[in-house]
Amino acid sequence: SQTIHQWPATLVQPVGSPLSLECTVEGTSNPNLYWYRQAAGRGLQLLFYSVGIGQISSEVPQNLSASRPQDRQFILSSKKLLLSDSGFYLCAWSARDTQYFGPGTRLTVL
Amino acid sequence: DAKTTQPPSMDCAEGRAANLPCNHSTISGNEYVYWYRQIHSQGPQYIIHGLKNNETNEMASLIITEDRKSSTLILPHATLRDTAVYYCIVGYWWGGNEKLTFGTGTRLTIIP
Repeated sequence: SQTIHQWPATLVQPVGSPLSLECTVEGTSNPNLYWYRQAAGRGLQLLFYSVGIGQISSEVPQNLSASRPQDRQFILSSKKLLLSDSGFYLCAWSARDTQYFGPGTRLTVL
Repeated sequence: DAKTTQPPSMDCAEGRAANLPCNHSTISGNEYVYWYRQIHSQGPQYIIHGLKNNETNEMASLIITEDRKSSTLILPHATLRDTAVYYCIVGYWWGGNEKLTFGTGTRLTIIP
């Protein structure tokens, strides 16, 4: 069966520091991959999606970037974090007509 | 993408059927209706989805009106573990690049 992993589970970072969140999927090949962010008390906001290695589409212009160096690996990065980057970051994958979410990373920027 | 309207909160007694409504009056012909739920501090969990016909799986039933402008998610025998925020989403697929827009959902509380 397919599983999706995210790490770290929680992260506290100072303003201006870099960020790297990793997501990996097991048990499937060539999945579509997604990064979402959920601010406290809000709905999910789609940040990036990828249909293949090296193919990234950005939904919201901001100081975040994404990369897909391998088929089942999706990385969310930032060179300098802002306070507004705090939130719950979720990775998701899909292979047919449904998205499945990972456990998420809770990021607090101080 | 079509937008959805859900009540912000609902209560349901344990053991009873929970019926969660969703309005999506601007849904287009090729858009699906999806339901997810999110338990506090966890990633959203897929529940069910459908296009036109009613659907049932081991978790829930999805009833879509004939005009597709509204739907109802039914949890047949609610348990305390069903307490969560439930999201009704409409979205469509093209070239595999589906986009699902999550709103603020319905906070369902199961009461013992």
